[in-house]
Amino acid sequence: AQTVTQSQPEMSVQEAETVTLSCTYDTSENNYYLFWYKQPPSRQMILVIRQEAYKQQNATENRFSVNFQKAAKSFSLKISDSQLGDTAMYFCAFGTGGSEKLVFGKGMKLTVNP
Amino acid sequence: DVKVTQSSRYLVKRTGEKVFLECVQDMDHENMFWYRQDPGLGLRLIYFSYDVKMKEKGDIPEGYSVSREKKERFSLILESASTNQTSMYLCASRSQGWTEAFFGQGTRLTVV
Repeated sequence: AQTVTQSQPEMSVQEAETVTLSCTYDTSENNYYLFWYKQPPSRQMILVIRQEAYKQQNATENRFSVNFQKAAKSFSLKISDSQLGDTAMYFCAFGTGGSEKLVFGKGMKLTVNP
Repeated sequence: DVKVTQSSRYLVKRTGEKVFLECVQDMDHENMFWYRQDPGLGLRLIYFSYDVKMKEKGDIPEGYSVSREKKERFSLILESASTNQTSMYLCASRSQGWTEAFFGQGTRLTVV
């Protein structure tokens, strides 16, 4: 069974700082994809970034980028120039082409302070 | 703009009541999911459906059932609500293949 581990339950940073959220996963599959979701206090889950395992290049979306280490089964999210609006729960998720469901980590609460 | 809509944002029910949580998506997605979210436990899959009238158990199906009579609608049913079912419930949908899931705004259910 696939598992997703987010080892840091909570982090706090100052506005404009860079922060890295860690995620590791376990799978025997070779083809899969990974996501980072954000859940602000409004509770709406929003996709931040996705990464296909077959792609060697790390995904980037504006201030958000990932460090995907396939051999180490690691998928960390870097947020540059943190903003107050980045305050949220962040969830790492894993999916394969052979199964329709996504497996989520337990989440990490990020607080960005002014 | 894609949309997944859950019928209630907040719900308070009594122990033993039958509870229906409704979810509708407008993206013609084949797959729909019900997750339960609890602090420190993340999102746990209750049930999912990959087609009309088809369903599969997730990781924590006990005490729940689901119904999918139409492609756009996926209902979660608590046959006899209990206090340990007090939680946040999230509905999601996604198309087949290598795509992300889209979520509803969540229903915070309190069973008293």
